[in-house]
Amino acid sequence: DSGVTQTPKHLITATGQRVTLRCSPRSGDLSVYWYQQSLDQGLQFLIQYYNGEERAKGNILERFSAQQFPDLHSELNLSSLELGDSALYFCASSPPGGGDTQYFGPGTRLTVL
Amino acid sequence: AQKITQTQPGMFVQEKEAVTLDCTYDTSDPSYGLFWYKQPSSGEMIFLIYQGSYDQQNATEGRYSLNFQKARKSANLVISASQLGDSAMYFCAMRNGRDSNYQLIWGAGTKLIIKP
Repeated sequence: DSGVTQTPKHLITATGQRVTLRCSPRSGDLSVYWYQQSLDQGLQFLIQYYNGEERAKGNILERFSAQQFPDLHSELNLSSLELGDSALYFCASSPPGGGDTQYFGPGTRLTVL
Repeated sequence: AQKITQTQPGMFVQEKEAVTLDCTYDTSDPSYGLFWYKQPSSGEMIFLIYQGSYDQQNATEGRYSLNFQKARKSANLVISASQLGDSAMYFCAMRNGRDSNYQLIWGAGTKLIIKP
């Protein structure tokens, strides 16, 4: 158990809908990262937050947004869902002070029908 | 551009044998970090081992060791005495960024199957 929690574990929804994925980092970690793992694109970095502020953006679609709250949990919002958004979405956290290792949550498997 | 290459899509290894999973990387940044993660069929991503670009010695964690050859830009994972539970996807990743901006760039992965 990495100490990073993600809910829900599975999510099935229809095209055009909006969903919210939730992540709680390890105790004491300030950075939260979101990654998408799909069959055709592999693992891709989406976005990073550090202590509530957006720090880096990767291949995140405009239909997707995220935020990190004062209690350091983070939410990834996916809207106007398309079939191609079906993927495993991971949240990871890393310790403050530039610690290198990222610890991953169990992931949320999103299926868009 | 920074890139991670894993050239072995799949590997079959006999139980108890050692296995080497290949990873080469490309970066112009002198400061970087290299990681290996294991993803079993259940889907979770498990951190295995880390090597910093300035580390003098190869990293080791139990049965895992990282064969770091900086001049060749390779960071191969060695698993000694393989076990059936080692069957999984293995990903090599590189830290990209500075300070607290540490997003990871990933290789395509190697599917390792341990045969009894």
